[in-house]
Amino acid sequence: QVQLQQSGPGRVKSSETLSLTCSVSGVSISSTSYYWAWVRQSPGKGLEWIGNIYYNGITFNNPSLESRVTTSIDTSKHQFSLNLTSVTAADGGVYYCARQTLIKYSYGYVDFGLDVWGQGTTVTVSS
Amino acid sequence: SVLTQPPSVSGAPGQRISISCSGGTSNIGTFGVNWYQSLPGTAPKLIMSRNNQRPSGVPARFSGSKSGTSASLAISGLLPDDEADYYCAAWDDTVKGHMVFGGGTTLTVL
Repeated sequence: QVQLQQSGPGRVKSSETLSLTCSVSGVSISSTSYYWAWVRQSPGKGLEWIGNIYYNGITFNNPSLESRVTTSIDTSKHQFSLNLTSVTAADGGVYYCARQTLIKYSYGYVDFGLDVWGQGTTVTVSS
Repeated sequence: SVLTQPPSVSGAPGQRISISCSGGTSNIGTFGVNWYQSLPGTAPKLIMSRNNQRPSGVPARFSGSKSGTSASLAISGLLPDDEADYYCAAWDDTVKGHMVFGGGTTLTVL
């Protein structure tokens, strides 16, 4: 059974860096079939994809967040992580990690979906 | 949002509803669409992959379709438990490639 377990502080001070980690079990994080993604949902708003990372370190990011986002992966620890710098109140919400099946075809990448999710971490940005 | 959904839809138990999702050639038109169900306090759930493929465990009451740069999710035989927010999502190959979500549609079962 594939499980994603999130960890990290639920409160971050404004202008500081949000750091979250997702531990993967039940499947190899080095699998060539999956990317490992981060998604957030701000209060009263919709879902927002933050970015993802492949086992070899290749990343794709949301263009609107790319300047502040760093994702990393540690295959030996079966973990991947998110750092979001210079947070503001607008960055508060529930953050999820997820498994994303993203396959490269001749014409580009095809997303088969985020099929396994972490439990979510509620992040509050304090002043 | 890059993908456009109606803010809300509603239907009575037993009825059929559909939710639309409009995009462009850089996303839905080329790469297809996935659909997610979001309930308060729980992680979103993938309910439709690659336009019309139901993941294991998703009831056949849920169906998906795509035409050109638009897609639809249909739910037949509405149940009270179907009341949730539904999001379409697609890969977009502009700006190095990234995933985009629609703004979400709130389904109310009357």
